[in-house]
Amino acid sequence: KAGVTQTPRYLIKTRGQQVTLSCSPISGHRSVSWYQQTPGQGLQFLFEYFSETQRNKGNFPGRFSGRQFSNSRSEMNVSTLELGDSALYLCASSLTSGGAQETQYFGPGTRLLVL
Amino acid sequence: AQSVTQLGSHVSVSEGALVLLRCNYSSSVPPYLFWYVQYPNQGLQLLLKYTSAATLVKGINGFEAEFKKSETSFHLTKPSAHMSDAAEYFCAVDSSYKLIFGSGTRLLVRP
Repeated sequence: KAGVTQTPRYLIKTRGQQVTLSCSPISGHRSVSWYQQTPGQGLQFLFEYFSETQRNKGNFPGRFSGRQFSNSRSEMNVSTLELGDSALYLCASSLTSGGAQETQYFGPGTRLLVL
Repeated sequence: AQSVTQLGSHVSVSEGALVLLRCNYSSSVPPYLFWYVQYPNQGLQLLLKYTSAATLVKGINGFEAEFKKSETSFHLTKPSAHMSDAAEYFCAVDSSYKLIFGSGTRLLVRP
């Protein structure tokens, strides 16, 4: 079974631009979570989607948004990019739950550099 | 609020030596705890998880962790380090269906 895939793997943008990252979960998985990883703040939860609905949201500004499609694929969007948005963005999928009940499987991440 | 604290941002061991990575949790309810490993330029891989079924949890690659409620700890151990264990390790706790991660410990294995 294929793992979680994320595209693109690397991205360079300039301040003020917007960016869309994509995540395809493992086949059959319906929950998708997003995390941001930076050297300064570590791994931080962004949001979680299940059946096209956002169930949980972390403490990030409204510039960060996401959605999930009927096939469970998810996208996250960051508008008006800031230098501090440079990070590794990780997507994780699980069968139905974003937390303890099931294992979350992580993708390789998208590394975003904002210049 | 639930949280985890990892003591030591870097741990260095010799190949064949015991690996001990420390994690303490803060939780008002019985927690679900996890250890993940991240190799360079890769995502996170689950090593093991504690869900209250047993206090000693065995994971992949020879790692195990013991849940100690009295010490609020969930330390990760491996009897004999291998060069391939060099990576960053994260302890995490489930908090309302999202993972709260510790700051990570980078394990260096000396030949």
